[in-house]
Order: sequence, then C-alpha cells, then structure tokens
Amino acid sequence: EAGVTQFPSHSVIEKGQTVTLRCDPISGHDNLYWYRRVMGKEIKFLLHFVKESKQDESGMPNNRFLAERTGGTYSTLKVQPAELEDSGVYFCASSRRGGREPKRYEQFFGPGTRLTVL
Amino acid sequence: AQKITQTQPGMFVQEKEAVTLDCTYDTSDPSYGLFWYKQPSSGEMIFLIYQGSYDQQNATEGRYSLNFQKARKSANLVISASQLGDSAMYFCAMREGDFGNEKLTFGTGTRLTIIP
Repeated sequence: EAGVTQFPSHSVIEKGQTVTLRCDPISGHDNLYWYRRVMGKEIKFLLHFVKESKQDESGMPNNRFLAERTGGTYSTLKVQPAELEDSGVYFCASSRRGGREPKRYEQFFGPGTRLTVL
Repeated sequence: AQKITQTQPGMFVQEKEAVTLDCTYDTSDPSYGLFWYKQPSSGEMIFLIYQGSYDQQNATEGRYSLNFQKARKSANLVISASQLGDSAMYFCAMREGDFGNEKLTFGTGTRLTIIP
C-alpha cells in the first residue's frame, strides 16, 4: 500500500506570507495527525483528526494555524501569516481505528515538509 | 517536567556491536504505550517497536528489543548486531490514556552513528 505522502517537501517563504501544507494519509486510515519539529527540539503534536472531525487540537500553537480535512481524506495545514518561529519540519501521520495492540496505535509517518520562514 | 527524556544526543558504535538507546518517561496514567521510531537521513519516520504498559513481556521485533522497566519508568531500545544502515536519529515516544487519546509525545532523539 502507498504510504503517507506530504507536499511540498520543502517550502521557503517570507515572514507574513501564507503557506499551505498538504498530507495524504494511507487509504482507509481514519486517524490523521499533524506534528512539527522545530530545529533541535522534540517533535510536538499539533492536532488529531478522526475522519473529518478534529478530535484533539490542543497542540495548535495559535490561531495563525488552520487545519482542515476535506471529506475525511487528505488534510491541509495553513499558516497565515507565517512567522520566523514557524520554521521547522511538519510531519503528518495516519493510523487505523480499532484493532488490537500494538497495531491500533501504530502511526505511519510521512516524510515531512521542511518549512523555512525568512 | 519532560514526559520523555532521551539523555544521549549522539552515540558512536562499532559495527556488529549491540547498542542501547536510553529513554525514560513520566506519566501518572496507568494505561500508556511506548514507541521507538527511526529517522534516517532521508527524513521519513519508521516505526520500530511498541510496548504497552500492561504487557508482561518485553517487546521484540527482529534485531530490536525494548528493555521495559516499569518501576524505573524506562524503555530503552536495544539493537543487536548493529549494521551501517542503523545510522539514523532514533526517537522514543509515548501515548497516554485509553483508546481515543492517541497523540504521541516525543523525546529529543538520539543520533546513532555506526562505525565500520
């Protein structure tokens, strides 16, 4: 099966501009997660979709970040306006719902989008 | 307090030797799970191994094993017979709570370099 894909792989923008990141989860995975890693720090959770609904958005840093998941398929993460501190690698992951441990908790990660805000 | 602590920012190990990557965690939830992910230079995160808090035995997956010491709150990854392809960043992560609360909390990672 195809893995999680993310687009673009790299994005360089100027402060104040808008950027939209896209994630296509593994087909059939209802759970979709966004994480980000700021340089040198740990990977941090941003939010969790179950199908098209936001299950947990406790990690979203502020209202400049907007995540959507159209029809429970792909997801977009928009940053508007971008700030310098938004630079980092944004990971998307997906997982099935249900099943037995450990499979039901296994999250499959995409390759990430490296965002640089100048 | 950090929920996941990885105290080794970098390690150099001779090929074919065994490697232990340290991970300690902090949670008050009785139900939790611990993960190890590998991130090679290509950037993707590869799932390696999982240990549930109620599992009686240490998890094993091929050359990977997880040394789970619940009382000490440690979940060290052991790689036996290391190979050059094991050179990568390794992240320890934890989920807390029961089904439905699945976000992962990560450590800062350990960069492992295997020396030929």
